[in-house]
Amino acid sequence: QVQLQESGPGLVKPSQTLSLTCTVSGGSISSGGYYWSWIRQHPGKGLEWIGYIYYSGSTYYNPSLKSRVTISVDTSKNQFSLKLSSVTAADTAVYYCAREGIAARRGFDYWGQGTLVTVSS
Amino acid sequence: DIQMTQSPSSLSASVGDRVTITCRASQGISNYLAWYQQKPGKVPKLLIYAASTLQSGVPSRFSGSGSGTDFTLTISSLQPEDVATYYCQKYNSALLTFGGGTKVEIK
Repeated sequence: QVQLQESGPGLVKPSQTLSLTCTVSGGSISSGGYYWSWIRQHPGKGLEWIGYIYYSGSTYYNPSLKSRVTISVDTSKNQFSLKLSSVTAADTAVYYCAREGIAARRGFDYWGQGTLVTVSS
Repeated sequence: DIQMTQSPSSLSASVGDRVTITCRASQGISNYLAWYQQKPGKVPKLLIYAASTLQSGVPSRFSGSGSGTDFTLTISSLQPEDVATYYCQKYNSALLTFGGGTKVEIK
């Protein structure tokens, strides 16, 4: 059973960089076949896809966040990470990591539990 | 960019009612559409993919239909445990987009 778990600071100061890591267990990122995504949900609001990475390191970002987002992968640790720069209160949200199949595309079939990140001084 | 519009934004129905949620894409996306259920305080759960294929373990009272720009999620007989917000999501291209959500409550 694949499991994803987000980790990182729950509080980030305005103008700083938000950094989160997703650790994958029960499956290997380097086996290929999947895109690994970050998705966020503002309090009481809907879902916003941030971007994804493939095990090779290729990425695709939501154009609305592209200038501030970096997603990276560490296959040796079976982890992928999110960095969001120059954060403001508008970046306060629950951040999820999730998996999407490539060959058999079916949306996000596995999600992490989510982690709340608050941007505040 | 393709926009995904759900309607209604919320609904209230009685246990046993048939519930229909609509998702409209601003351009055609073939059948590259998924539906998710998010119960209060919980993680979104994949219900349906490829517009009409039920994810393993999802009750058969859930069904999806549509292709192109217009899609529907139907709950054939609403149950108390179906109280949740439902989201559609397109995946026809690299840019992945969710609909705004439909909150389903029990009357």
